[in-house]
Amino acid sequence: GGIITQTPKFLIGQEGQKLTLKCQQNFNHDTMYWYRQDSGKGLRLIYYSITENDLQKGDLSEGYDASREKKSSFSLTVTSAQKNEMAVFLCASSTGTGGSQDTQYFGPGTRLLVL
Amino acid sequence: GDSVTQTEGPVTLSEGTSLTVNCSYETKQYPTLFWYVQYPGEGPQLLFKVPKANEKGSNRGFEATYNKEATSFHLQKASVQESDSAVYYCAFNSAGNKLTFGIGTRVLVRP
Repeated sequence: GGIITQTPKFLIGQEGQKLTLKCQQNFNHDTMYWYRQDSGKGLRLIYYSITENDLQKGDLSEGYDASREKKSSFSLTVTSAQKNEMAVFLCASSTGTGGSQDTQYFGPGTRLLVL
Repeated sequence: GDSVTQTEGPVTLSEGTSLTVNCSYETKQYPTLFWYVQYPGEGPQLLFKVPKANEKGSNRGFEATYNKEATSFHLQKASVQESDSAVYYCAFNSAGNKLTFGIGTRVLVRP
């Protein structure tokens, strides 16, 4: 087994601020993901990475940067926080070797509120 | 494009009654189908997955059958418990590493 840790749990920012969210996994998985979860919209993929230093854009990458510093960690930066923005950011990982059958394992999320 | 449509919530029911959450998908690929469950304060966790058409997945009393002809994967449970209160997500992974999720269905079970 393994675990995904996301920090911080809660993040309150100001409009225009650059904010960074961090994710660590000890599954030894190759692939890591960042999703945004909004009420009524499900989960939308922001970025994913299939190996260290690799980055792939998802459907919602505009306004975000990501960094895969090492195999176990994947960071997401909100480049300019939008006023009244409220969402949960979920990190996930998978082996990346199972093709379409790959199971993604999720962390508990970081809850963002922008004042 | 790829999409998932599922029952709009919240679905409110009493303990001991049956639950159905409908899920329909759209893709040109031959996907693996997933049901994920998310409890308050946690991330989604896999309930079960089914890679092949006409096969059934099950876990914790929940089940769903992969119907390729109807492009459906409806989630069912015969008798729900209060602890089944959660948000349920239908999803598929048609190729590579990307999952396409539905909007989620919130299920509330009253004691």
